[in-house]
Amino acid sequence: NAGVTQTPKFQVLKTGQSMTLQCAQDMNHNSMYWYRQDPGMGLRLIYYSASEGTTDKGEVPNGYNVSRLNKREFSLRLESAAPSQTSVYFCASSENPIPGQGEYLQYFGPGTRLTVT
Amino acid sequence: RKEVEQDPGPFNVPEGATVAFNCTYSNSASQSFFWYRQDCRKEPKLLMSVYSSGNEDGRFTAQLNRASQYISLLIRDSKLSDSATYLCVVNMGYGGSQGNLIFGKGTKLSVKP
Repeated sequence: NAGVTQTPKFQVLKTGQSMTLQCAQDMNHNSMYWYRQDPGMGLRLIYYSASEGTTDKGEVPNGYNVSRLNKREFSLRLESAAPSQTSVYFCASSENPIPGQGEYLQYFGPGTRLTVT
Repeated sequence: RKEVEQDPGPFNVPEGATVAFNCTYSNSASQSFFWYRQDCRKEPKLLMSVYSSGNEDGRFTAQLNRASQYISLLIRDSKLSDSATYLCVVNMGYGGSQGNLIFGKGTKLSVKP
């Protein structure tokens, strides 16, 4: 199993350009997440998808859109990139445990390093 | 008060030392607790879950104190390879976002020869 994969690994954009970050998981997980990580800020949730066909905003959704294409894939789109979106972006996935059993363990992809100039 | 707070460090320790990290969380309704490890420029990886009874995995021991709302991680006989940032993670377990985790900013550990 590859686990969680992300493309691209690195990207440089000019202000105003758009791009889509791709994420896929092969663990048959129901839930998927997008985070950004900035120095001194820790991981912050951008959007999540609890199951195929649903998406919800996280802590910092402004400037982003997401698509849960199918159970495997969850993409993050920047419509008009801004320098404030320079960050490392991580995708993660998890199963939904049976209530009262199991845990919401999340597994992360290797990340995309995005620079907006 | 931030939801999950950790001492950012860095903790600089010699090989073989014992080191402990603490983490506090603000929401008493929190359900699940974890320690993740993150190496420089890599993704976070699960180190261990934290249970009320305490749990041990080799040189690593994690404990949870619900009354005081803190979690600890103890590393015995530190190795150079333990150098990393350790993230305290809490699942709030409320509403429709039950799977959502809240991450601390991490504690940096540097183990020196």
